[in-house]
Amino acid sequence: EADIYQTPRYLVIGTGKKITLECSQTMGHDKMYWYQQDPGMELHLIHYSYGVNSTEKGDLSSESTVSRIRTEHFPLTLESARPSHTSQYLCASTDGHFGELFFGEGSRLTVL
Amino acid sequence: AQRVTQPEKLLSVFKGAPVELKCNYSYSGSPELFWYVQYSRQRLQLLLRHISRESIKGFTADLNKGETSFHLKKPFAQEEDSAMYYCALGRAQKLVFGQGTRLTINP
Repeated sequence: EADIYQTPRYLVIGTGKKITLECSQTMGHDKMYWYQQDPGMELHLIHYSYGVNSTEKGDLSSESTVSRIRTEHFPLTLESARPSHTSQYLCASTDGHFGELFFGEGSRLTVL
Repeated sequence: AQRVTQPEKLLSVFKGAPVELKCNYSYSGSPELFWYVQYSRQRLQLLLRHISRESIKGFTADLNKGETSFHLKKPFAQEEDSAMYYCALGRAQKLVFGQGTRLTINP
């Protein structure tokens, strides 16, 4: 079924750990995005990609990194997690009918 | 800088009453504006976009360039409208979101 998947849905880790949040979509979309959302706050764009081997930083500065080696896959990595990284991370994609982003269910990260 | 402002974090109305969720934007170019909705335990999804001039689930939104607003309206609220609503501004193939308004419809 065409969809966008995020794993893990919930993650609690200690400070200093390396983590990767996975995002995969089976819709064949070229454009993919990562947003960060704190409770009750707006979504902030932290990374985006317009295709394979294309990645850009978003409006909100983030210590995370992303890669786009395959069209369907857009993982986000934190080399050394800190409590300030505690947040919800939302992955989204679009096929170019801009404005209609398809969102995943999100990954809620807690860093102790 | 492009910015989207939703002045109300919380909005509570009774079933059958009219609903208006406010959205103001700042953008120097020709704006593309959208409303997204997130129902309880569901994903964020597109509700409507200004360019389509459509009515979705009884909701409409009119772009007012003079007032730089894109308010979301529905004449008669239903309990299933309770959700989190986000206004978003499109620029350069990216979306800038407002803080969101949590709408609660009381029976």
